[in-house]
Amino acid sequence: DAGVTQSPTHLIKTRGQQVTLRCSPKSGHDTVSWYQQALGQGPQFIFQYYEEEERQRGNFPDRFSGHQFPNYSSELNVNALLLGDSALYLCASSSTDEIQETQYFGPGTRLLVL
Amino acid sequence: AQSVTQLGSHVSVSEGALVLLRCNYSSSVPPYLFWYVQYPNQGLQLLLKYTSAATLVKGINGFEAEFKKSETSFHLTKPSAHMSDAAEYFCAVSSNQAGTALIFGKGTTLSVSS
Repeated sequence: DAGVTQSPTHLIKTRGQQVTLRCSPKSGHDTVSWYQQALGQGPQFIFQYYEEEERQRGNFPDRFSGHQFPNYSSELNVNALLLGDSALYLCASSSTDEIQETQYFGPGTRLLVL
Repeated sequence: AQSVTQLGSHVSVSEGALVLLRCNYSSSVPPYLFWYVQYPNQGLQLLLKYTSAATLVKGINGFEAEFKKSETSFHLTKPSAHMSDAAEYFCAVSSNQAGTALIFGKGTTLSVSS
């Protein structure tokens, strides 16, 4: 079992550009959550996807959007990048059938905005 | 609303000494509490979680934590530190036992000296 995988591992963009990050959940998991971890801070919840719909959202602007595909994989899109969007973006997956099983985190995508 | 406060951004111990990382929470609903560890350039790994089954929770790598409702605390301890325990530790709270939509503290860096 590959666990949660994310791509790319690193990414450099300039202000104003758009970026797409990808996540494949652990086998058997149907729910994907995204977190932003700025340098020296704890992760912050962006949103969660289940059944291809956004189910919960944290305190992030509409520039942050996502998508979940029928195979449960997910994308995080960020438009009009700001310097402050530089962070480690973590994906986590969980299963609605196994509520006692905690979500698993991927290794993250490190985004640098110049 | 839920929140977590980790007391002490940096804790230093000698190898073999007791490890104590402090976490206090605030929650308007019964909380589910988690401790995660993050090694450099890696994602988050679950150490242990409190789901109301028992107030003393044992986790991986010899760590344990005790839920104290009267003190709104969930401190992480380990009797004897190893060099390999040096990492960033995060306390988090969720409204569900799967730990989705987690709210994290700012983290505590643990340093272990020989």
